[in-house]
Amino acid sequence: SYGLTQPPSVSVSPGQTARITCSGDALAKQYAYWYQQKPRQAPVMLIFRDSERPSGIPERFSGSSSGTTVMLTITAVQAEDEADYYCQSADNSGIWVFGGGTNLTVL
Amino acid sequence: EAQMVESGGGLVKPGGSLRLSCAASGFNFSDAWLSWVRQAPGRGLEWVGRIKSKTDDGTAAYAAPVKGRFTISRDDSKETLFLQMNNLKTDDTAVYYCTIGGSWGQGTVVTVSS
Repeated sequence: SYGLTQPPSVSVSPGQTARITCSGDALAKQYAYWYQQKPRQAPVMLIFRDSERPSGIPERFSGSSSGTTVMLTITAVQAEDEADYYCQSADNSGIWVFGGGTNLTVL
Repeated sequence: EAQMVESGGGLVKPGGSLRLSCAASGFNFSDAWLSWVRQAPGRGLEWVGRIKSKTDDGTAAYAAPVKGRFTISRDDSKETLFLQMNNLKTDDTAVYYCTIGGSWGQGTVVTVSS
């Protein structure tokens, strides 16, 4: 299937590490992208091509990939990291698919 | 720095039409593949469709829920992307974003209601 599956929610205490997974058959062949979205704001790209970080994105955000699962890792989580996180992939013809999103709560 | 600004949203009755625009700047617009993404109230991101650059044949592709009702086009001379939405349904109510992935507009709100 071409769907991407994320956990609906993840909770972490400040200073700890948050890990958000995204799984789907397509990820074995295609790159993953990660976005952060805060309430009433547009999404912001955090990671592209599985593990690359756009300029301006803090180093505490990192991405990794293994088979059909990709992971977004946020080290030393801060209160401002509380947001929704979406994974996304695309086939060679530019057809995109998003995961359902993960709400990160900073306790 | 890439910038994208959507406009054209509003309130429309079921069965009606609306045309969204997205004015872009700060990147090579004519070479870009451009997408529309929407987000219904309280829901996640949903890809609507994309248009390739003219050098890559300029064709558009659509998600199943909008295929046959929505049309994406582009005017490279004005660096503007369009989304023509016809036969709108209440399920089309959402914030609509234009994006090239690394850059997103602020979104424009479309409400379909009688």
